[in-house]
Amino acid sequence: GAGVSQSPRYKVAKRGQDVALRCDPISGHVSLFWYQQALGQGPEFLTYFQNEAQLDKSGLPSDRFFAERPEGSVSTLKIQRTQQEDSAVYLCASSLDRNTEAFFGQGTRLTVV
Amino acid sequence: QKEVEQNSGPLSVPEGAIASLNCTYSDRGSQSFFWYRQYSGKSPELIMSIYSNGDKEDGRFTAQLNKASQYVSLLIRDSQPSDSATYLCAVKEVKAAGNKLTFGGGTRVLVKP
Repeated sequence: GAGVSQSPRYKVAKRGQDVALRCDPISGHVSLFWYQQALGQGPEFLTYFQNEAQLDKSGLPSDRFFAERPEGSVSTLKIQRTQQEDSAVYLCASSLDRNTEAFFGQGTRLTVV
Repeated sequence: QKEVEQNSGPLSVPEGAIASLNCTYSDRGSQSFFWYRQYSGKSPELIMSIYSNGDKEDGRFTAQLNKASQYVSLLIRDSQPSDSATYLCAVKEVKAAGNKLTFGGGTRVLVKP
């Protein structure tokens, strides 16, 4: 596709529910990032993939957060037992390689009620 | 201390004036620097990238980088109301084990007609 695609655009989850957020990067992009953005804040780094390898997961806030990119293309961010503090916009970005610009998808707005 | 610091604003400028945004970063290993524009409710959009010391101009935008002083700035000339947005500074450090793109909190810019 022409850009980074994320789905769903909006997700409302009940507290304790598991959710899965999908990111389809730009074709051929090696690097993929996940970010969490709270209202009025800059994006906070969650995790980074180079192809299928998750090279940095230092930003994942707890072991309830898990990300994968099994074939080096589509990535899924899973949040188990969601809490209210997980409510945020989850952004995915991809870049052609380690050194070039990253382009963002439209994000998934998660609301935990 | 945050790794990437920006004044949150709002920075209010009259239409036609120059908007000047600053960003400082703490990691001397940072190699790539980016400015993103984010409209309310939208995802970040890349507007400038800069990799070496000095100035880089693209249309009405000029990015300036000073690695010795660890700051990067963005000038917006002939500001238009459509430039009203939050501007995010992002810094990338390429490491052997990964590739981390870190954002500042953003500076909100308001261009008044």
